Amino acid sequence: GAGVSQSPSNKVTEKGKDVELRCDPISGHTALYWYRQSLGQGLEFLIYFQGNSAPDKSGLPSDRFSAERTGGSVSTLTIQRTQQEDSAVYLCASSSYDSDQPQHFGDGTRLSIL
Amino acid sequence: AQKITQTQPGMFVQEKEAVTLDCTYDTSDPSYGLFWYKQPSSGEMIFLIYQGSYDQQNATEGRYSLNFQKARKSANLVISASQLGDSAMYFCAMRGNFGNEKLTFGTGTRLTIIP
Repeated sequence: GAGVSQSPSNKVTEKGKDVELRCDPISGHTALYWYRQSLGQGLEFLIYFQGNSAPDKSGLPSDRFSAERTGGSVSTLTIQRTQQEDSAVYLCASSSYDSDQPQHFGDGTRLSIL
Repeated sequence: AQKITQTQPGMFVQEKEAVTLDCTYDTSDPSYGLFWYKQPSSGEMIFLIYQGSYDQQNATEGRYSLNFQKARKSANLVISASQLGDSAMYFCAMRGNFGNEKLTFGTGTRLTIIP
């Protein structure tokens, strides 16, 4: 079946602009995660959605970052007033409710801030 | 807080040999899970193998096995009969208790298989 889909695959934008990154999880997966991968920081957790529960936002680096998940499916990560340090690959993953199941990752969005 | 440590930034292994990638962890959660992911140069994260903290037997998936030593807090990945296609970054990751399923990743090991 279809895997986790992320769009766009690449995004180049100017400092100070807002960007939206989209994630379409595997059908039926109730959990959705956003991570960031950068050279200096490795792989970092950003935010986690599980069903109708309040999201775990503990990994968001600043209030410029926000995410929502509509209808328990598609998620959008928004970065406002982008800074050069926001340049990274943003990875989305989804999993079934059983926490012993692996998280399946999308191919990521490579974000470059000029 | 959870922590994953991978002490081998890079490894070179001859094709067809076995290789062990090291991973140690630290957590205060009574229940946790350990994962290994492969990231080729193309960038996708590929799930390899999973070990639950209460599993009695070491996990195996084809050529991959996980050497889980709970008392030593280690979860090393063993790849048997390495192939050129095994060249990639390998990440060890941990999830915590129920309600704390986010993954904490190690810094990774870059494995290069030599023909």
